[in-house]
Amino acid sequence: ETGVTQTPRHLVMGMTNKKSLKCEQHLGHNAMYWYKQSAKKPLELMFVYNFKEQTENNSVPSRFSPECPNSSHLFLHLHTLQPEDSALYLCASSQDPDSGHSRFDEQYFGPGTRLTVT
Amino acid sequence: AQKVTQAQTEISVVEKEDVTLDCVYETRDTTYYLFWYKQPPSGELVFLIRRNSFDEQNEISGRYSWNFQKSTSSFNFTITASQVVDSAVYFCALSEAGAGNNRKLIWGLGTSLAVNP
Repeated sequence: ETGVTQTPRHLVMGMTNKKSLKCEQHLGHNAMYWYKQSAKKPLELMFVYNFKEQTENNSVPSRFSPECPNSSHLFLHLHTLQPEDSALYLCASSQDPDSGHSRFDEQYFGPGTRLTVT
Repeated sequence: AQKVTQAQTEISVVEKEDVTLDCVYETRDTTYYLFWYKQPPSGELVFLIRRNSFDEQNEISGRYSWNFQKSTSSFNFTITASQVVDSAVYFCALSEAGAGNNRKLIWGLGTSLAVNP
């Protein structure tokens, strides 16, 4: 089983739609991340969850709503998106920063969801 | 402020050539970590290496090697005898040591490498 999986791989949605992105990790990690990757821009960290608690929200618009029901699953709920939200959305996981594990900043990524907002 | 610069936007080489991808970073901390990730066309970022700021030894892993020089704040990545499968976007990233979950990865813009047959 691949370490981090994401579904769907591709998504086209209208601005009035509601959809969700799903991420699942099979690595036994306790921290999960959502990133946005747009052309010509650095990777943007959106949200961080440690042990199901959100520990970071980088001024992300409320039309993006994360959910982390357990340490293996992470969702990104989308509603009333804008065309500029079209991007590759990447999920990652790592050891929990507070676990004392020395390599907690070593993140493992899923293949991403290519989102197009029309 | 922390910053990672990958000055080469795109590189194109012919198979079997050696290629070096440059990474220059800025940080005020004395303890930090540097990373390289590979993003093939499939999309997922693949972890390649993590290096802490106190270990300046160069590292070699097969055809990959990394040259870390604190004096020039650089962490360059060389692929020897490149292959078509090396074609990807390569990202350099910086993480500063700090309290728990406030430690973030600062990413460069990436270098797109095309290895042609």
